[in-house]
Amino acid sequence: GQQVMQIPQYQHVQEGEDFTTYCNSSTTLSNIQWYKQRPGGHPVFLIQLVKSGEVKKQKRLTFQFGEAKKNSSLHITATQTTDVGTYFCAGSPAVGTYKYIFGTGTRLKVLA
Amino acid sequence: EAQVTQNPRYLITVTGKKLTVTCSQNMNHEYMSWYRQDPGLGLRQIYYSMNVEVTDKGDVPEGYKVSRKEKRNFPLILESPSPNQTSLYFCASSLSGLGNEQFFGPGTRLTVL
Repeated sequence: GQQVMQIPQYQHVQEGEDFTTYCNSSTTLSNIQWYKQRPGGHPVFLIQLVKSGEVKKQKRLTFQFGEAKKNSSLHITATQTTDVGTYFCAGSPAVGTYKYIFGTGTRLKVLA
Repeated sequence: EAQVTQNPRYLITVTGKKLTVTCSQNMNHEYMSWYRQDPGLGLRQIYYSMNVEVTDKGDVPEGYKVSRKEKRNFPLILESPSPNQTSLYFCASSLSGLGNEQFFGPGTRLTVL
């Protein structure tokens, strides 16, 4: 079936270091969304990408959608302790469905 | 305040005892969805609803039922819960089917003994 894998599964960084998580789909996606879940909390929407090759920035966060619309990445520059949490990508398969498939998530820990 | 609410937040039950987890949103959203979250597996969609009386299966619908009789409510029903349905459940809603951010409820932690 359709799968969305994320790597790495875990990442520990020192505060101030950069962080990147990658999302890879087995099928073409019509769009991709990114969510952040703080420990003990619920997922919170960060951003959505729709176009092939699209790049969006939110302060220290940079999001990319691959040319083939099968992969995406989230890059955080100069991590802060407030960036701690699990980051999920979620995509909709391109053909005739309103399902969402979430990635397995990347748990980020930031050491002060 | 715009929000998605779920009840109960925590539930411990026994195998075979029917239960319902309620979900309600006050944002007049058309799209609602149920997910389960298990360690290492991320969030997996159980069912979704495009609008009143329109529901469809997600990736893991077995053992679950849903209904959408009113726009604001989307209950999740476990007719005969089993231990493999022990999980953290999230309800979510969005303005319409695709291309809109999903707002998540606080979650329901279910344990089936």
